[in-house]
Amino acid sequence: GAGVSQSPSNKVTEKGKDVELRCDPISGHTALYWYRQSLGQGLEFLIYFQGNSAPDKSGLPSDRFSAERTGGSVSTLTIQRTQQEDSAVYLCASSSVAGTGKADTQYFGPGTRLTVL
Amino acid sequence: AQSVTQLGSHVSVSEGALVLLRCNYSSSVPPYLFWYVQYPNQGLQLLLKYTSAATLVKGINGFEAEFKKSETSFHLTKPSAHMSDAAEYFCAVTSYGNNRLAFGKGNQVVVIP
Repeated sequence: GAGVSQSPSNKVTEKGKDVELRCDPISGHTALYWYRQSLGQGLEFLIYFQGNSAPDKSGLPSDRFSAERTGGSVSTLTIQRTQQEDSAVYLCASSSVAGTGKADTQYFGPGTRLTVL
Repeated sequence: AQSVTQLGSHVSVSEGALVLLRCNYSSSVPPYLFWYVQYPNQGLQLLLKYTSAATLVKGINGFEAEFKKSETSFHLTKPSAHMSDAAEYFCAVTSYGNNRLAFGKGNQVVVIP
């Protein structure tokens, strides 16, 4: 079946511009996660959505970062006024149900490589 | 807070030799532990996971890992390395009711023919 898809695969932008990154989770998965992978910091959690609950935004590095999930499916991560330190690979993952006591596997997309010039 | 330590960012192994990647975790509650593999320009693929059942976990591609609570470890092994095992490997930890994975820094595995 179809896995997690992300678009675009690569994005080059100029410092100060806004960017939007898209994630399509696996159909039926209610939990969706965003992570950032950078050389200096490794893999970092950014934000988590579970069904209709309020998202856990505790991993967002600054108020320039925001995300939404429409209709419980597709999610968009928005970075405003991009900075060079935002350059990284942004990974999206989804799982069937989170926090149930089971170690629900997170399935990852291929990522979006963001380069801020 | 939960965390994972992976030592040795780059690991070289000869083709046919044992692959051993070390992972030590820190968690104040019973952990769930994962190993993921990442091939170039791809996302993370699950190799195996520990979910408080059997302590010896077998995964895909001939990999296995053993959970040792006394050593707070979850080392990954494969008896015989193959060229296709060249990739980056990440250990991660979470727990019941948690909604995020905490990853180690990763091991870049190079297989020498």
